[in-house]
Order: sequence, then structure tokens, then C-alpha cells
Amino acid sequence: DQQVKQNSPSLSVQEGRISILNCDYTNSMFDYFLWYKKYPAEGPTFLISISSIKDKNEDGRFTVFLNKSAKHLSLHIVPSQPGDSAVYFCAASWRSGGSNYKLTFGKGTLLTVNP
Amino acid sequence: DAGVTQSPTHLIKTRGQHVTLRCSPISGHKSVSWYQQVLGQGPQFIFQYYEKEERGRGNFPDRFSARQFPNYSSELNVNALLLGDSALYLCASVDSQDYNSPLHFGNGTRLTVT
Repeated sequence: DQQVKQNSPSLSVQEGRISILNCDYTNSMFDYFLWYKKYPAEGPTFLISISSIKDKNEDGRFTVFLNKSAKHLSLHIVPSQPGDSAVYFCAASWRSGGSNYKLTFGKGTLLTVNP
Repeated sequence: DAGVTQSPTHLIKTRGQHVTLRCSPISGHKSVSWYQQVLGQGPQFIFQYYEKEERGRGNFPDRFSARQFPNYSSELNVNALLLGDSALYLCASVDSQDYNSPLHFGNGTRLTVT
């Protein structure tokens, strides 16, 4: 049973436009969410996170939105750049339960930004 | 500063063999976690170690074991390899003194079992 779901295996956008990557979760105990980016032959690189007490967190071109009632989060990248082309993983943890370091990942979404 | 380093980068083993994968965390990080990423899936949690003690274990068989050394480096051992163990094995470390610090991953060890 997948507790973190990324239903879009791939997404293609034009350079300069907005990229929106979506993620749904089923475990209501999750209280901390992260997005990682992964290039081929490299490990996942942390992008941005959000605690369940917030509904938005921004860092430069990256914004994560959390809708707790819908158990849904999204990552917005504006403007998208060709260098953003990578696999994006959504991850969640039950931080208040002491499981800070046990992340549950989605299957990932391959983002392609076309010049 | 050096990130999380893992060795070897690639490994080919035969079914039934044993393998040891190594990980050095970021300097100052005392917690190390191991993840398995099978092709087409997201990373899956295997173990977490903190101060040389196991603090968490995922849903993996007893063929998987790990340990952490006094210098906080770690080894992941897999016995009696199966074809299904072929995967990218990722090590991550975290600054456990900073509650908001995320996991930092190494580039992984690509294990192929034939």
C-alpha cells in the first residue's frame, strides 16, 4: 500500500513557464513533507520542505503548498529552467512520532523543461 | 565540505553471495540511514543508526544488516543475495542537532545481482 503517491510519472513544460508537481498521501500521521530532486547517477538532493503546521513554504523559485484536509501537496517551480529537468520525489515523515529520519517516498515524477 | 560518500559506486554479485556497502556521513553528522531504490520506485527505508545504535528498521528480511562505527561511518551487509536485491543503495546522513535539517544523500552504490 503506497502511502505517498505521485500519480504523474512525467511532466513536460516550456522554459520560463510554471512547473507543478503533485503528491498525495494517505497516512494522516505524516507531519513533515519534503521534495527531493534526483539527476541520473546522483543521489537525491534536498529542495524544500514543509511542516504540517504551515500551508506554504517558499524558497526562491520553489514553493511547496500543503492541503492537509485533502492530504495533498504540490511543488511549484517558477520560472522553470532546463537545468530543472530531473526526477522529483515527494517524501513524508512522522516527525512528532520520532521518525524524523524514516522518509516514505513517492515513485517520482520526471520533469523535462524544454528550451 | 565533503558530502556523504559511498563505496563502491558499482558492484556485480552472483546470487547467494554476500555484499558489504560502505558509507561515510557528512562531518559532524551522527545519524546514518540506508535506503534501497529499485528501478522505477522511490527510495525505501532500510535502517537508521544513531550513535552506533539501530534506531529504526524498515520492512526488509534479516538478510539485511548494518552497523555504525565510532567514527559514525556505516556498513550495510546483505547475505544470500537474490536477483531482487538488484538496486541502488543510498546512504543518508543528518545533523541530528538541528531538528529542521533534512537528510543528505550520497550518490549510492549500484548493486547488480546475476
